[in-house]
Amino acid sequence: DTAVSQTPKYLVTQMGNDKSIKCEQNLGHDTMYWYKQDSKKFLKIMFSYNNKELIINETVPNRFSPKSPDKAHLNLHINSLELGDSAVYFCASSPRDNYGYTFGSGTRLTVV
Amino acid sequence: KQEVTQIPAALSVPEGENLVLNCSFTDSAIYNLQWFRQDPGKGLTSLLLIQSSQREQTSGRLNASLDKSSGRSTLYIAASQPGDSATYLCDAAGNAGKSTFGDGTTLTVKP
Repeated sequence: DTAVSQTPKYLVTQMGNDKSIKCEQNLGHDTMYWYKQDSKKFLKIMFSYNNKELIINETVPNRFSPKSPDKAHLNLHINSLELGDSAVYFCASSPRDNYGYTFGSGTRLTVV
Repeated sequence: KQEVTQIPAALSVPEGENLVLNCSFTDSAIYNLQWFRQDPGKGLTSLLLIQSSQREQTSGRLNASLDKSSGRSTLYIAASQPGDSATYLCDAAGNAGKSTFGDGTTLTVKP
């Protein structure tokens, strides 16, 4: 069983479209995260959710909106996609804030 | 603002060598420091997690140390193998979910 699963694994879409990436964890963790890894391999945190509440929102454009229907799911919706949004997006979870992360395998988003 | 630096950016060693990867951070007020491994095109795999109250953690051929006062952590890999080839990332975790990753050290172990 995959602990943290993301779908889709690959996503190619045109500029201006709206897309969503889904994440689910079956570890019973309280906190979930979204990270962005750009072409230079820099890994930056975007959002963190603790028990369905947003506890951190780094300076990302408001075109990005995380949605957490329950503590096992954290989805990422992106409006009006831009070329610069192309990256690999990783979902992660931890038992509580900053107590060891388990990462998903990533979603490679390509905006053309 | 936390800044995390990893040196060297790339390292190539022959099989069997012992090696050390370095991670430094500017804000010592961290909750923990975690080392990850990332294979090309893959996600991150957690290797070792050191809580702020701990000095080191060991797992197999890996040993990670933490010196908060000097803002440093090292990952020691003993008897390196070609399968150890990957990018190694350190993450300094502060409060309220603030996580700062270094840019990674890409390790190549030659047979």
